[in-house]
Amino acid sequence: AQSVTQLDSHVSVSEGTPVLLRCNYSSSYSPSLFWYVQHPNKGLQLLLKYTSAATLVKGINGFEAEFKKSETSFHLTKPSAHMSDAAEYFCVVSEGYSSASKIIFGSGTRLSIRP
Amino acid sequence: DAGVIQSPRHEVTEMGQEVTLRCKPISGHNSLFWYRQTMMRGLELLIYFNNNVPIDDSGMPEDRFSAKMPNASFSTLKIQPSEPRDSAVYFCASSLEPSSYEQYFGPGTRLTVT
Repeated sequence: AQSVTQLDSHVSVSEGTPVLLRCNYSSSYSPSLFWYVQHPNKGLQLLLKYTSAATLVKGINGFEAEFKKSETSFHLTKPSAHMSDAAEYFCVVSEGYSSASKIIFGSGTRLSIRP
Repeated sequence: DAGVIQSPRHEVTEMGQEVTLRCKPISGHNSLFWYRQTMMRGLELLIYFNNNVPIDDSGMPEDRFSAKMPNASFSTLKIQPSEPRDSAVYFCASSLEPSSYEQYFGPGTRLTVT
């Protein structure tokens, strides 16, 4: 069975400092992994995705994530936080490629940026 | 493309009334998802369609909830009768199949049941 755990419900960083949002997953097969961002009162938007290609994935707005199979992790990072990065971030795991695949969302991490 | 379209954007109704939420997926997408988001429970997948056929409805809370997809360009989520605990933001999303493709989310419908 697959699952996803976002280790921090809330992360607060100062503007200009690095961001690290942690995500661990479990999957019986080769998973697809995603990070989505949700700004206040908006729908979710894809930041980046991993689908068994390069393990270091670059996304929009300067974010990137590294797939580490040995650690079953897919942490999201950004070298320098911007005020506009304040939002909720969701890690998602999807197992397999059939139309009946399960898609599991993490519980979310709220990112706050201090001026 | 206009993206995923949901209507209404806001709905306020009284307990016991029927509520119908509507979704138009992105043209050409074969998979459609309904989610519910609350502060207490986070984001929950309610039901998932592929090629207009319900694939997984294990997240539908109870018989008061039903979803249909009569064609590739339209889906509804109905709650009858509605209860205050149904108050939430309901999101619709669509994607190309298979599920390794990204989902495109609509702006959501904020439902308040009084």
